[in-house]
Amino acid sequence: AQKVTQAQTEISVVEKEDVTLDCVYETRDTTYYLFWYKQPPSGELVFLIRRNSFDEQNEISGRYSWNFQKSTSSFNFTITASQVVDSAVYFCALSVIPAYSGAGSYQLTFGKGTKLSVIP
Amino acid sequence: NAGVTQTPKFRILKIGQSMTLQCTQDMNHNYMYWYRQDPGMGLKLIYYSVGAGITDKGEVPNGYNVSRSTTEDFPLRLELAAPSQTSVYFCASSYQNTPGGGNIQYFGAGTRLSVL
Repeated sequence: AQKVTQAQTEISVVEKEDVTLDCVYETRDTTYYLFWYKQPPSGELVFLIRRNSFDEQNEISGRYSWNFQKSTSSFNFTITASQVVDSAVYFCALSVIPAYSGAGSYQLTFGKGTKLSVIP
Repeated sequence: NAGVTQTPKFRILKIGQSMTLQCTQDMNHNYMYWYRQDPGMGLKLIYYSVGAGITDKGEVPNGYNVSRSTTEDFPLRLELAAPSQTSVYFCASSYQNTPGGGNIQYFGAGTRLSVL
């Protein structure tokens, strides 16, 4: 079974501070994908990034960066110079590719989310 | 760009009533999903479909039914509403074109359902 743990339930930071959201995952499958989604106060889920298990390169997109470490089963998300618009709930999610099938993944296992509040 | 559209946005049901949550996507995605989100929790998969006419159960299917007669539409049916079904429901879709790919799921805005 797969599991995603986001130990930080809520985080508050002052605008312009950097903040890191932690994500730890568990799976026995060797092929899997990790995702981050943002859920702003309006409620929809917005896709941020996807990373497969064979690509441990860190990624940067503007103020966002992601650190993937297989050795610690972690996929952490850092926001640099946070802004009020970053206030949202952030979800880390995992999907696995079963070794016995060539079918694509169909289920996302979500963490419970981290609520980030950026205070002006 | 409509993407994934869910209706209604809000609904209040009485115990025992039935309703259908509508979901339609205009991206020609073959995979569609229904999730529920309870307060302070992540999303849990209710049902999914890999194409028209093909559906399967997810993690929490009890109390729900689905059908997929077209590529675009994937309605979720609650037959006998119970307070435990009070939740926010999300529909999602994705395109799977190669085996083994971790497809990106795109979500609708959600339906907030209260059963009283």
